[in-house]
Amino acid sequence: AQKVTQAQTEISVVEKEDVTLDCVYETRDTTYYLFWYKQPPSGELVFLIRRNSFDEQNEISGRYSWNFQKSTSSFNFTITASQVVDSAVYFCALSEALYNFNKFYFGSGTKLNVKP
Amino acid sequence: DGGITQSPKYLFRKEGQNVTLSCEQNLNHDAMYWYRQDPGQGLRLIYYSQIVNDFQKGDIAEGYSVSREKKESFPLTVTSAQKNPTAFYLCASNEGRGSNQPQHFGDGTRLSIL
Repeated sequence: AQKVTQAQTEISVVEKEDVTLDCVYETRDTTYYLFWYKQPPSGELVFLIRRNSFDEQNEISGRYSWNFQKSTSSFNFTITASQVVDSAVYFCALSEALYNFNKFYFGSGTKLNVKP
Repeated sequence: DGGITQSPKYLFRKEGQNVTLSCEQNLNHDAMYWYRQDPGQGLRLIYYSQIVNDFQKGDIAEGYSVSREKKESFPLTVTSAQKNPTAFYLCASNEGRGSNQPQHFGDGTRLSIL
């Protein structure tokens, strides 16, 4: 079974629209961490946010916001007033402690196309 | 600036040939990782190393080999035993202590078969 599911393969929006990228995870650990990464066309994965399992507060950073809900095992990412530069593939990831090694499980990614 | 450098950016392999992808980091991180990314898929772990002179197989290690002789370097060799090597390869690193540290990534190497 997939540890991290990003059901939206590709999303297209017009600039200035709001868009939400969904992420659902599966774990039996009580302590875990969730991440979002952005992969622009250049290929490098850029770290956006980390959230631990004990902190369900939502977070806002400029046009980005994250909604973490343990009850539904979801960690969704919203971009407000999207811009063309937001076009990229976005990955959600789960980190579990495994014998003192933090293994990362990545979702399959959501490709976001923001059109002018 | 601190970061991870992968080279080359593009690599072509002939049948029966081994090729080596370079990964160097100057972040003073203990742990390093190699991932493979196929189109439309997430990242799959090939090998990881938590400390110099030690490394472990990930989920898809067959056909690959690594070494970790220096803290800064974690080269990946794609051997001729890897029958489908065409993919995008990403190297990453983090402090390696606990599960709360984000992994930092290089720019990747795109490997194709001639």
